[in-house]
Amino acid sequence: KAGVTQTPRYLIKTRGQQVTLSCSPISGHRSVSWYQQTPGQGLQFLFEYFSETQRNKGNFPGRFSGRQFSNSRSEMNVSTLELGDSALYLCASVSGGANTGELFFGEGSRLTVL
Amino acid sequence: AQKITQTQPGMFVQEKEAVTLDCTYDTSDQSYGLFWYKQPSSGEMIFLIYQGSYDEQNATEGRYSLNFQKARKSANLVISASQLGDSAMYFCAMRELGGTSYGKLTFGQGTILTVHP
Repeated sequence: KAGVTQTPRYLIKTRGQQVTLSCSPISGHRSVSWYQQTPGQGLQFLFEYFSETQRNKGNFPGRFSGRQFSNSRSEMNVSTLELGDSALYLCASVSGGANTGELFFGEGSRLTVL
Repeated sequence: AQKITQTQPGMFVQEKEAVTLDCTYDTSDQSYGLFWYKQPSSGEMIFLIYQGSYDEQNATEGRYSLNFQKARKSANLVISASQLGDSAMYFCAMRELGGTSYGKLTFGQGTILTVHP
């Protein structure tokens, strides 16, 4: 079955702009999580959505937001971009079940802020 | 709060030899899961192996095995018979079990593995 799909794969923005990233989870997966990966901070959890509801949020400013649609696809938005937002943004989906189930990751969206 | 420590920024191994990547963790949770992921230069995170805190036997998946020592809070990854394609970044991660957050992992800083021919 198809894996986690993230679009776009690469994008370049300038400071002050906003960006929207999209993630389509594996069919049947209802949980979608987002992570930011930077050389300095490593992999950091942004937020998780389950059945269109945000279930958990990491320690990021309010400029970072997300949502999930009824078909489980998710988007994340970053407003008023800063240079430090340059990162690889990874989306992961999991089928559910707290005791099992690895997260399946997409290939990421690599954002460069100039 | 959960914390993962990977003390080896980089490791080198000869092809066909075994290598151990270290991971220690800290958590106050009674029930948790430990994961290892591989990240090649393409960026995708590839799941390798999982160990639950209540699993009595060490997990194995093909050439990958997880040396789980609960009392020491360590979860080292052992790769046997290394291949050139194993060259990548490796991340140790953990997740609380029993809660409702299925998708929240805490990651270590990673170890870059280079396999020499």
